[in-house]
Amino acid sequence: DIQMTQSPSSLSASVGDRVTITCRASRDISNNLAWYQQKPGKVPKLLIYAASILQSGVPSRFSGSGSGTDFNLTISTLQPEDVATYYCQKYDSAPWTFGQGTKVEIK
Amino acid sequence: EVQVVQSGAEVKKSGESLKISCKGSGYRFASYWIGWVRQMPGKGLEWMGIIYPGDSDTRYSPSFQGQVTISVDKSITTAYLQWSSLKASDTAMYYCARGLGSGWFDYWGQGTLVTVSS
Repeated sequence: DIQMTQSPSSLSASVGDRVTITCRASRDISNNLAWYQQKPGKVPKLLIYAASILQSGVPSRFSGSGSGTDFNLTISTLQPEDVATYYCQKYDSAPWTFGQGTKVEIK
Repeated sequence: EVQVVQSGAEVKKSGESLKISCKGSGYRFASYWIGWVRQMPGKGLEWMGIIYPGDSDTRYSPSFQGQVTISVDKSITTAYLQWSSLKASDTAMYYCARGLGSGWFDYWGQGTLVTVSS
C-alpha cells in the first residue's frame, strides 16, 4: 500500500506568518489528494481536494499545490483560528490513507 | 441540506458485539460512498473502509479487514460499522463521512465514541 508521510509533525508560528505543510506519497498518486483540518475536540473538515481545489467556504488564505508524490498545504497568513491538526489523504485507490498529521500552534 | 448523523456513545465490555450507525439525509444516498474513520485517543485519523450504498461494494483497509464489518441498508439511508468481539484496543472515536466519487470526504458525522473496558 502507498504510505503518506507529512512533515513537520508539529510547528509553531506567529500570527501573520506563512506556513507550509508537506505531504509525500510513497508512489505517484497524480493529484488524488485532499487536505483536512481538525480543530481540538472537533470533527475533521475538508479544506482542499484534487490537490489544489479549495472546498466551498474555506478561507482563501489556504491553498494546496503539488502532483505525483509531493504536495503542500500553505496558509498564507496564519490566524489564531487556524490552530489545528492538518491531515493529507490520498484517494487514488483503496485504502484512502491519511498522513499522520501536522499540529499547528501559535507562537 | 446534507446531513450525516451517527448513533450515540457506547460503553461495552471486551468480547461483546457492537453495531454503530450512520444516517445520511438531504442527498441521493445510493450515489455516494460512506466511509469510516477511526481516531484513537490523542492519535491521528485512520481510514478503515468504505461502502457504496448503490451496490454495497465495500473496500477495507488491510489494517481493519477481518476486524470489522461495514454494511448498509439503503432503504433507510443508513450505513453500519460492526464488531463481533470487541477489544479494549477498539476504544476510539469513530467517524463516518460521505465520500465523493473520486475519494474525498466532504460531509462528516459528529463521531461515535466507543469505550471498551476489559
